[in-house]
Amino acid sequence: GAVVSQHPSWVICKSGTSVKIECRSLDFQATTMFWYRQFPKQSLMLMATSNEGSKATYEQGVEKDKFLINHASLTLSTLTVTSAHPEDSSFYICSASPTSFNEQFFGPGTRLTVL
Amino acid sequence: DQQVKQNSPSLSVQEGRISILNCDYTNSMFDYFLWYKKYPAEGPTFLISISSIKDKNEDGRFTVFLNKSAKHLSLHIVPSQPGDSAVYFCAASFGNEKLTFGTGTRLTIIP
Repeated sequence: GAVVSQHPSWVICKSGTSVKIECRSLDFQATTMFWYRQFPKQSLMLMATSNEGSKATYEQGVEKDKFLINHASLTLSTLTVTSAHPEDSSFYICSASPTSFNEQFFGPGTRLTVL
Repeated sequence: DQQVKQNSPSLSVQEGRISILNCDYTNSMFDYFLWYKKYPAEGPTFLISISSIKDKNEDGRFTVFLNKSAKHLSLHIVPSQPGDSAVYFCAASFGNEKLTFGTGTRLTIIP
């Protein structure tokens, strides 16, 4: 149990385009979903926290207009990177929690490369 | 400000021996600590956790030790197996708030 999927697993896009990443909890309802990004050899950095049906809470320094998060249901959250630039290239990981921050189940991640 | 630090970026251990991964933190408010294992191009997988009211938690081959006075925790893996080769992240939280991750330690088990 507690499986989280992400789609796509790998995406290449041109600079200036938008990319949508989906995160789904497959066998549980996630009251809260989280979006992280990880640069090579660095830590996972929390970008934002989202609860179903409400606006996401963004961490300091994360542009909410650039990284649009929608948590439309208890099993689906999406992250849209708008007007992507090469510096947005990174590994994006979502996690989902049925209960609390301390119980997070991570997706397999999405590798975004912006040319 | 890196509140959770893993000062060893890499560690190599002989198969069958003990692997000890270390983690230090600066925020004394942290009250819950977790260890995650991560393979390349995959998301982290939860391994073991410990509350600040304990100093040790054991689960099979994995044991986590917490030294609150030193603001230090460690993960012991005994015996180490080739499948344990991965990047290990420690993470901390307080008041059931967001997780703060360390920078990770790449563990390589030598057959």
